[in-house]
Amino acid sequence: SQQGEEDPQALSIQEGENATMNCSYKTSINNLQWYRQNSGRGLVHLILIRSNEREKHSGRLRVTLDTSKKSSSLLITASRAADTASYFCATELNTDKLIFGTGTRLQVFP
Amino acid sequence: IAGITQAPTSQILAAGRRMTLRCTQDMRHNAMYWYRQDLGLGLRLIHYSNTAGTTGKGEVPDGYSVSRANTDDFPLTLASAVPSQTSVYFCASRPGQGLEQFFGPGTRLTVL
Repeated sequence: SQQGEEDPQALSIQEGENATMNCSYKTSINNLQWYRQNSGRGLVHLILIRSNEREKHSGRLRVTLDTSKKSSSLLITASRAADTASYFCATELNTDKLIFGTGTRLQVFP
Repeated sequence: IAGITQAPTSQILAAGRRMTLRCTQDMRHNAMYWYRQDLGLGLRLIHYSNTAGTTGKGEVPDGYSVSRANTDDFPLTLASAVPSQTSVYFCASRPGQGLEQFFGPGTRLTVL
């Protein structure tokens, strides 16, 4: 079964709006990572948040982590058409491996 | 340019044939990974290697084998391909545990 589940599965918004994607997981983690995948390409790392952190920012990206609820959110502010992509969360347990969720497909319309 | 390369970009293969997907990184990363990506299932880990000379099984290892003779290369072999192995395969690497992964561009494999 999947460790991480993203919600929603798909999201369509207009340029300039904010996009929020959520990730829930099942077991305690060391860190949680968000990745982006453009169609037909490999994944690109966006942000890593450790289990003792609650919020991180990178440019227009804001990630929160609530370990009590076993959930994380990725907020993209002032979205652009170029943000159109699939976004994945990945959890790292006390192992050497990441477990990826099934992703959120974001479509940003000009 | 530093990064990960994968070859081939795409391949159509007859069932029962042997196939090796190649992955090379020039970042001197210790850890390397092979994933398959199928629609609706996200990325699933096939095999991994924490350092040269060691390998481990991931979530879906059956039908696949790997080797890690040196730091840079991590080939994935399908000994006898089956149609259910039709997928997009991604190789990734990272310096070590607790850090971000860097992904290759992927290999699209179709087994007929």
